Amino acid sequence: AQSVAQPEDQVNVAEGNPLTVKCTYSVSGNPYLFWYVQYPNRGLQFLLKYITGDNLVKGSYGFEAEFNKSQTSFHLKKPSALVSDSALYFCAVRGAIKAAGNKLTFGGGTRVLVKP
Amino acid sequence: GAVVSQHPSRVICKSGTSVKIECRSLDFQATTMFWYRQFPKQSLMLMATSNEGSKATYEQGVEKDKFLINHASLTLSTLTVTSAHPEDSSFYICSARGQGPYNEQFFGPGTRLTVL
Repeated sequence: AQSVAQPEDQVNVAEGNPLTVKCTYSVSGNPYLFWYVQYPNRGLQFLLKYITGDNLVKGSYGFEAEFNKSQTSFHLKKPSALVSDSALYFCAVRGAIKAAGNKLTFGGGTRVLVKP
Repeated sequence: GAVVSQHPSRVICKSGTSVKIECRSLDFQATTMFWYRQFPKQSLMLMATSNEGSKATYEQGVEKDKFLINHASLTLSTLTVTSAHPEDSSFYICSARGQGPYNEQFFGPGTRLTVL
């Protein structure tokens, strides 16, 4: 079974400071990893994904994430946070193997609060 | 590209009535659609997976007679909550996956259901 852990329910950061949202995963075979952001009463917006290739993935709105196979992690980062980055962030994983039905498994979410 | 819409965005209904939620892929053909449920401050819970022209596959614990899913075309899936009760109040999110460049899940904006 595949699983995702986001160990922090909430992350507080001052505007302009670096932002990190942690994610670790467990999956059979090679992982496909995703980050999504959700604003209040809205659906999920795609930020970035890792399929293969470079371990550092760059995505939307200045976000990036680093795939670390040995630590089974895929932490989301932004060098300089904005107040508008305040939202709920979800990490998700699915296995590369088609037998899994391409189901995404989501982490519990991390609320990011960026203070001015 | 890869836009998914949901209608309605919010609905309030009386207990005992049925509510239909539509999910449409606007600019690609969705061979598979997924329905999720999200409780306040919680993660997304996959309810069912539907492939065009076939019966939906429900996750364990999800009542198929309660949550009727139809995926009659490559651009439309519907979720009908039958005989709704207050405990069915939730945020329902669909996603759609197609082929080629659309071979990932693209999420709709969600539908807020409130059952009085």
